[in-house]
Order: sequence, then structure tokens, then C-alpha cells
Amino acid sequence: DSGVTQTPKHLITATGQRVTLRCSPRSGDLSVYWYQQSLDQGLQFLIQYYNGEERAKGNILERFSAQQFPDLHSELNLSSLELGDSALYFCASSLVGLAGEQFFGPGTRLTVL
Amino acid sequence: AQSVTQLDSQVPVFEEAPVELRCNYSSSVSVYLFWYVQYPNQGLQLLLKYLSGSTLVKGINGFEAEFNKSQTSFHLRKPSVHISDTAEYFCAVSETSGTYKYIFGTGTRLKVLA
Repeated sequence: DSGVTQTPKHLITATGQRVTLRCSPRSGDLSVYWYQQSLDQGLQFLIQYYNGEERAKGNILERFSAQQFPDLHSELNLSSLELGDSALYFCASSLVGLAGEQFFGPGTRLTVL
Repeated sequence: AQSVTQLDSQVPVFEEAPVELRCNYSSSVSVYLFWYVQYPNQGLQLLLKYLSGSTLVKGINGFEAEFNKSQTSFHLRKPSVHISDTAEYFCAVSETSGTYKYIFGTGTRLKVLA
């Protein structure tokens, strides 16, 4: 158990809908990362938040957004969903400054029908 | 920008045989290097990491990796694999400062045969 929790574990929805994925980092970790794992794209970095502020952006679509709240949990919002958004979404956390090691949650499997 | 290449998408190996999973990276700056394992339907678990110092790094479950700066490689090895090592293995690099975001390789599926 990495100490990172993600909810829900599975999500099935339809095209055009909007969903929110939630992540609680390990206690004390200030940085949260979101990654997407799909069969055709592999593991891709989406976005990073550090202590409530956006720190870095990767291959994140404009239909996707994220935020980190004062209690350090983070949410990834996916809107106008398309079939191609079906993937496993991972959250990771780290105590930035401690050699960058990231601890991954179990993931949320999103299926868009 | 960094990139990571895992040359083998699948590696079948018999139980108790040695295995090497290859990873090469490209970067214009110093990097940290990681190997993660993903068992079916699970998240990623850190196997080992190279930050600095000794180029031979030992990790969990009997795995080790060697950092070779001149060849920009970080190959993962295990002298004797078990059925339970069947999983997907990911090599990743991160910057040594700034965001520390990971760039992952495409993964190598290790299948251990009885």
C-alpha cells in the first residue's frame, strides 16, 4: 500500500459526459501528479500540482482540468468525454525535494461507451 | 527534453533463468532514473532508483540495475526469476530539479514460463 488513495476504482460513462476523479496523497506529500495509461499512448504525464498551485503541464487536453485543494487532495476533471479517453488514470504523490520519488495510487479505470 | 526507450516490448523467460530488461534514455540535463513494476490490475510499485553515487543499484525482490552514463542506459537485471515476477516493467527518468515529473518508457512485459 503506497498510501495514495484514488476514487472511484472504476467509472463507466457515456460520450459527452463529465467525470471527476479524486486523489488523496500520502500524508505530508505536497506534490500530486496525474498520469494517463492507455494501450496506444502508454503512460503519459498530464499535470502536476504543488501545494495547491499548478507546477507543470504535460499532454493534457483542454477538455481536462485539475486542481489541488487546501487539504492537498486533488481532483482531475474530464469533460466532453470521447471513446479515446478510456484509460487508467493514476495519481502519484511526492515530497518534492526528496529526490523526486513518486508513490502511485491504484488508479481509476475509466471506460467511455 | 527527456525520452526513454525500452527496446523490448515483451520478454519471455523460463523460471530460474536470468533476465535483463533494457532501458536507454536521452537527456540534455542530469536525470534521476527509476524502474517501476506493475502487476495486473494494480498500480505502479517502485523497484529501484538511481539518484547518484554507486552505479549499481539494488532494489526489491532481488532486482538490480546498472547506470551507464556513457551509454545512457539503465538496464534492469535479475539472476533468477520466479513465476511471480510476471508483470509489466517501466523505466522512467525525471529531472534532478524543478518539477521532477516522470517520463516513462513504453514498458516491457516480462512473462516467466514454468
